[in-house]
Amino acid sequence: NAGVTQTPKFQVLKTGQSMTLQCAQDMNHNSMYWYRQDPGMGLRLIYYSASEGTTDKGEVPNGYNVSRLNKREFSLRLESAAPSQTSVYFCASSEQGHTGELFFGEGSRLTVL
Amino acid sequence: AQTVTQSQPEMSVQEAETVTLSCTYDTSESDYYLFWYKQPPSRQMILVIRQEAYKQQNATENRFSVNFQKAAKSFSLKISDSQLGDAAMYFCACNSNSGYALNFGKGTSLLVTP
Repeated sequence: NAGVTQTPKFQVLKTGQSMTLQCAQDMNHNSMYWYRQDPGMGLRLIYYSASEGTTDKGEVPNGYNVSRLNKREFSLRLESAAPSQTSVYFCASSEQGHTGELFFGEGSRLTVL
Repeated sequence: AQTVTQSQPEMSVQEAETVTLSCTYDTSESDYYLFWYKQPPSRQMILVIRQEAYKQQNATENRFSVNFQKAAKSFSLKISDSQLGDAAMYFCACNSNSGYALNFGKGTSLLVTP
């Protein structure tokens, strides 16, 4: 059982380049989330999708876009990467929405030079 | 929205001893949920324990238990009989039915020494 799968696990970009982080879950969960983790900051919500067909901004959405492609997949796109977006990104999903357990992917470490 | 505060950036415990990690939160909601997540060096986020605010009984999961003080808005995690594998970053998190996602504290790094 794969759970939540994120790709790529590591990526180095130059300022201004674009990239997409892919996330897929095989648990038939309705809700999916993208968080970023920075040292000393905990996890901060970028975007979330409460159900298929809906997406909403979280705490730190600037510079990002998302797509809920179907119930399984939720991608995060950086259109023009900036050094401030250097971080570890986590995708998560939940069966019971935001009040239930979140299942996390292994994280993607992104470095923007 | 909820805010979560973890006042201990780092903690240390000897193997087999007990340690308590502190967490306080602020919410205006009456119905909310509290969590502790563990993040070992592998970076994987793992749920340790979950508490519904309407339940007075403190949640327990094997060696892990919480001290939930609703009036004080405190939600501490006690780890008994600490093991080397407990070494990790621990995050406290909170949400409510009117919210949309978990709000996390900044984390406490736990070191376990032999």
